[in-house]
Order: sequence, then structure tokens, then C-alpha cells
Amino acid sequence: AQKITQTQPGMFVQEKEAVTLDCTYDTSDPSYGLFWYKQPSSGEMIFLIYQGSYDQQNATEGRYSLNFQKARKSANLVISASQLGDSAMYFCAMREGLMDSNYQLIWGAGTKLIIKP
Amino acid sequence: DSGVTQTPKHLITATGQRVTLRCSPRSGDLSVYWYQQSLDQGLQFLIQYYNGEERAKGNILERFSAQQFPDLHSELNLSSLELGDSALYFCASSPMTGEDTEAFFGQGTRLTVV
Repeated sequence: AQKITQTQPGMFVQEKEAVTLDCTYDTSDPSYGLFWYKQPSSGEMIFLIYQGSYDQQNATEGRYSLNFQKARKSANLVISASQLGDSAMYFCAMREGLMDSNYQLIWGAGTKLIIKP
Repeated sequence: DSGVTQTPKHLITATGQRVTLRCSPRSGDLSVYWYQQSLDQGLQFLIQYYNGEERAKGNILERFSAQQFPDLHSELNLSSLELGDSALYFCASSPMTGEDTEAFFGQGTRLTVV
């Protein structure tokens, strides 16, 4: 079974609109972390935002926020006021076992976001 | 700039050959991770080193090996290369303090096997 599912292979959004990128995850570990990374066409992997499973509040970083719904096992990324430079691949990833030394990330398939002017 | 340096940025080589990819982690980060991003398999964790010792192993082929040196830089060795090994190989580092909320990625090495 997929541990990280991103159901939107691609999205087109008008510039300045908000966009929500979906991510659902599957784990039985009570201690985990969820990450979103952006990968522009140049290829580098850019960290956007992190949510820990025990965090009480949804994470926010500038125009990025994470809509964390633990019971539904979803961790959607919300980008407010989208910009042309937001066009990129977006990956959701999970790290299980925060209490031990397991630091490997499990990745979703990604969503290609294109911002239209 | 994440502080993680990978060399070379691009590599083109023939099937059957052997290559070495190099990674210098951020200053102070003891842990290094290698990931492979290919068109058919997406992003996959390969291996993790912590302070010179192998800590975790993922979907790494037997033809591939890695090591982390005393100065904490790491090398990923890929041998008997096949066309399917063409991919973007990322190195990431983290301090691994137990509260890490981010792994810092290098720019990747794009390997093309012809």
C-alpha cells in the first residue's frame, strides 16, 4: 500500500489565486513528521514546510500553510496568493519513527503545479 | 543555497561503467542521506550514514555502495551501470539531533547512462 498518496498529477491555477495540493498518508506509527518540498524545473529540492504528528497547530511558513487533519490522515499544502514562480513539482513526504533514528523520507509521486498569468 | 554540495552536477557515461558521486553535507551535520529520483520509480531512499557508519538502508541495489569519510563527506559508487540507472541522485544532510524538522538537499547529480 502507498504510504504517501498525492492524487493530483497536475494542476493549473490562475495567478494570485490560492491553491491546495492534496496529500494523504498511511502509517501506524504515532510519531511521524510530514514535509512538503518544491522542485522547480532546475531540479533542486526546496524545503517548504514541516508538520509533526504531535503538533497542536497547523504549520505555516509565509504563503505556505499545512492543513493537517490527523484523523483523516491528510496533510494538504495551501499556497496563498499564487505567483508565477510557484510553478514547479510539489512533493509530500513522511518520516516515521521520530523517536528513534529513522530519518528516511518516504515520498509521494508529486503534483505538477502550473500557475497561469 | 542549502549548504549541501554535490559534484558533479551532470554525468554522462556508458553502460557497464562505474561512477562516483560526491556529497559534502552542511557544516555540522553528521547525517547524510542518498536518494534516487527516476521517471519510473519516483523518489526513493537509498541509504543513510551517520558519523561514518551506515544507519539505514533502503532500495539500494547491490551494484551501488556508499561510504561516509571522517570529514563527513560521502560518496555514492554506482557500478556496472545500466540504462535504468539514469536518474537524478540527491544527497541530503541533517544534524540528527532528534528534533530535526528538515533535511537539506543538495542540487543533485543528474546521471545519464547511454
